[in-house]
Amino acid sequence: EAQVTQNPRYLITVTGKKLTVTCSQNMNHEYMSWYRQDPGLGLRQIYYSMNVEVTDKGDVPEGYKVSRKEKRNFPLILESPSPNQTSLYFCASSLSGLADEQFFGPGTRLTVL
Amino acid sequence: GDSVTQMEGPVTLSEEAFLTINCTYTATGYPSLFWYVQYPGEGLQLLLKATKADDKGSNKGFEATYRKETTSFHLEKGSVQVSDSAVYFCALNPRGNDMRFGAGTRLTVKP
Repeated sequence: EAQVTQNPRYLITVTGKKLTVTCSQNMNHEYMSWYRQDPGLGLRQIYYSMNVEVTDKGDVPEGYKVSRKEKRNFPLILESPSPNQTSLYFCASSLSGLADEQFFGPGTRLTVL
Repeated sequence: GDSVTQMEGPVTLSEEAFLTINCTYTATGYPSLFWYVQYPGEGLQLLLKATKADDKGSNKGFEATYRKETTSFHLEKGSVQVSDSAVYFCALNPRGNDMRFGAGTRLTVKP
C-alpha cells in the first residue's frame, strides 16, 4: 500500500530535550515536506527536500533541522524544543514538486512542556 | 505576499443540503489551486485541483472552478452526506517550492 508513515504519533516532552520525528514514504517520490498545523493558521511549511541531499527552508524553519540521506526518509529534528513548538506535524511527499498531489502522513501531535 | 483566505467555520448542514465553501487568493502570475480534505485523525488528502484559469476540478461530487477575474476557487457540492464531515483546506502553489494553505473550514453534516 502506498503510504507516508510518521513516528511517533504522539509525543510529550520537556523543553530542551532533543527529539526526532521520523517520516518514510514508499512511493519513490522525489519531493518531501514537513508542515506544522496550528488552529486558525492552516498548515505552514517548515522544510522541504527536492531530492536526496537537497533540502531548503520553508516559511517557519526556526528551531528545526532536517536531513535527506535516503530518498524514502525525511526526519524532522528539534535540537532544543520549546513550548511554542507544540503543534501537529505532518510529513508529505509528492512525485516531483508542489504542483503534484501531496500525500500526507497521519500526523504527529507534539507537546513541549 | 501570496495568500489564501477561506470562509470561517464551522459550517453545519443537514444531509442532502447544498455546500459552498468560499476561497479567494492573492498571488502574482498563474498559481495552481487545490482543495485538500482532512478527515478526523488523519492527514490531508487531495480532493481536487486546477492549474489554469477556467479549469474546473471535480472529484466525489465536489467541484471548484479557477476564476482568475475574481481570484476565487470556491468549493461546491450539490448534496452533502454525513461522510463528508471533515475539515476542508484551500491551498495555493504560486510558484516552485511555495505552498500556502488557508486556515481550514470545518464541515459537519447531520443526518
